[in-house]
Amino acid sequence: EVQLVESGGGVVQPGGSLRLSCVASGFTFSSYSMHWVRQAPGKGLEYVSAIGYNGDTYYADSVKGRFSISRDNSKNTLYLQMGSLRPEDMAVYYCARVGPAPGDLWGQGTLVTV
Amino acid sequence: EIVMTQSPATLSVSPGERVTLSCRASQSVSDNLAWYQQKPGQSPRLLIYGASTRATGIPARFSGSGSGTEFTLTISSLQSEDFALYYCQQYNNWPRTFGQGTKVEIK
Repeated sequence: EVQLVESGGGVVQPGGSLRLSCVASGFTFSSYSMHWVRQAPGKGLEYVSAIGYNGDTYYADSVKGRFSISRDNSKNTLYLQMGSLRPEDMAVYYCARVGPAPGDLWGQGTLVTV
Repeated sequence: EIVMTQSPATLSVSPGERVTLSCRASQSVSDNLAWYQQKPGQSPRLLIYGASTRATGIPARFSGSGSGTEFTLTISSLQSEDFALYYCQQYNNWPRTFGQGTKVEIK
């Protein structure tokens, strides 16, 4: 089955750190760019970070210098290392695959509470 | 950053009606525009990409149009399962910005 499964969310104090993971299955993970999108409670979608299949990265200004995206193609896993967390970072974090559009496949999301 | 503006914020519609949602970009995004549907407690689902191409498995009642700065998502005959939030997203420039969403609710 083609799917993305996030994990690693939880409760963290302001200033703390957390690492999110997203495990891909059913497709050739290494061939796809991936991204993280978040959604604060009751709010809309916010683009957070992206990583190309070649390792190029992008960060939204709101997380630049605090978050780090990476991938381990041998484990079919995408990561988001989050540091210096703020209350405004509280959200459901989704990983998504970049296919013909930036989000042709989404995970179920993982909740980060700050 | 390109600002995506969706209108209206909420649409109250009866099943079977035709629905038109709008999305405007603050500058041209060519046809690099996607539409997503999100239901409560679920992750977003890709409906349309390239402004007008339906994603795999999306019913034909969903159609997208537009280019440049003005885009439209049309649902030809609203079904009960279509009541949801709809977001547009441009992927022509970084960051890949989303609109604020349009809620389609039962009238």
